[in-house]
Amino acid sequence: DAGVTQSPTHLIKTRGQQVTLRCSPKSGHDTVSWYQQALGQGPQFIFQYYEEEERQRGNFPDRFSGHQFPNYSSELNVNALLLGDSALYLCASSPADRFTYEQYFGPGTRLTVT
Amino acid sequence: DAKTTQPPSMDCAEGRAANLPCNHSTISGNEYVYWYRQIHSQGPQYIIHGLKNNETNEMASLIITEDRKSSTLILPHATLRDTAVYYCIVRPSNFGNEKLTFGTGTRLTIIP
Repeated sequence: DAGVTQSPTHLIKTRGQQVTLRCSPKSGHDTVSWYQQALGQGPQFIFQYYEEEERQRGNFPDRFSGHQFPNYSSELNVNALLLGDSALYLCASSPADRFTYEQYFGPGTRLTVT
Repeated sequence: DAKTTQPPSMDCAEGRAANLPCNHSTISGNEYVYWYRQIHSQGPQYIIHGLKNNETNEMASLIITEDRKSSTLILPHATLRDTAVYYCIVRPSNFGNEKLTFGTGTRLTIIP
């Protein structure tokens, strides 16, 4: 059983560009969350998708947007990239069983903005 | 969400029990205590969670004080592979409020 997968692994973009990161949740999971982790810091919650809608959102600007597809996979889009957007972007999925509340994380996408 | 306080770093000898403390003095009655760890360059890994009773699984034990204001994660026989950053997180139990608020965690180093 494949766990949470993310693509690409690494990405280099220029300031002002746009980027799309992708996540496939663990089998049987229907909820996807995205986190940003700057170097030396803990992950920071960006938003969460459930039933193809954004359910919760952290303190991130509108430049950060997302989407969830009917197969539960998800995309994170960042527009007008800033140098400060350089970070590890983590995707986490949650199982459909509401009594476990465990989140399973993928390996992340390392984004470098130059 | 309640805030947690953890020591920034700890060392533990290989084969010994590693005891990682966490203070969460403002925890509410419906909030769970979760522990995750992050091994270098990997995504965080769920370890254990609890509400008010002590919990044990194949990875670790979680001891929560009776007043729920602090907890301790115990790795009973630490190995070199347990070297990681350990995060203590307090999170409400209600459906739809599932975000995890990470702090800076405790960097645990297992010494051979």
